Amino acid sequence: GQQVMQIPQYQHVQEGEDFTTYCNSSTTLSNIQWYKQRPGGHPVFLIQLVKSGEVKKQKRLTFQFGEAKKNSSLHITATQTTDVGTYFCAGPDTGFQKLVFGTGTRLLVSP
Amino acid sequence: DTEVTQTPKHLVMGMTNKKSLKCEQHMGHRAMYWYKQKAKKPPELMFVYSYEKLSINESVPSRFSPECPNSSLLNLHLHALQPEDSALYLCASSHLQAPEYNEQFFGPGTRLTVL
Repeated sequence: GQQVMQIPQYQHVQEGEDFTTYCNSSTTLSNIQWYKQRPGGHPVFLIQLVKSGEVKKQKRLTFQFGEAKKNSSLHITATQTTDVGTYFCAGPDTGFQKLVFGTGTRLLVSP
Repeated sequence: DTEVTQTPKHLVMGMTNKKSLKCEQHMGHRAMYWYKQKAKKPPELMFVYSYEKLSINESVPSRFSPECPNSSLLNLHLHALQPEDSALYLCASSHLQAPEYNEQFFGPGTRLTVL
């Protein structure tokens, strides 16, 4: 079945440093979504990318969808302690009802 | 209202107990989902309901029994669970619109412990 891997598994940064997580799918994706889960919380939708090579920004967060639509990245500029959490990418599998989550990247930010 | 609610927040049950998890949304979403999440792992899909009908069952053991009484409610009935079933159970909902996938709204989850 479809597999979605993320690297790194875990990253610890100092506040103000940049952070990037990479997402790779075993199959071509029609679109990709990103979610954030705070410690003790639930996944919260951040963004969806649909077009090949698409780049979207949300304040300090920049999301990119690869040209081949098999990979994606999330870059956070100047991290803040509020960025702490696990970031998951997710792509649809067989139709549009099933979402396959990536393995996740856990981000810890020290003040 | 853009909220998915789940009850209870925490549940401790023995292996011979029968319990139910409940989920509710009032966003008019016609797709509802149950996920299981273990610590430090991604959510793992269990069931999908589309227009109140079960459309996906990810080969979940029969000790988990889903039910969708109406378009706003989703239940998960639990019976004879095993300790390895202890996890966070997340409910989610979304619109059903092809071809682009629709964002899922997650509830806060029920943290289940099976003794």
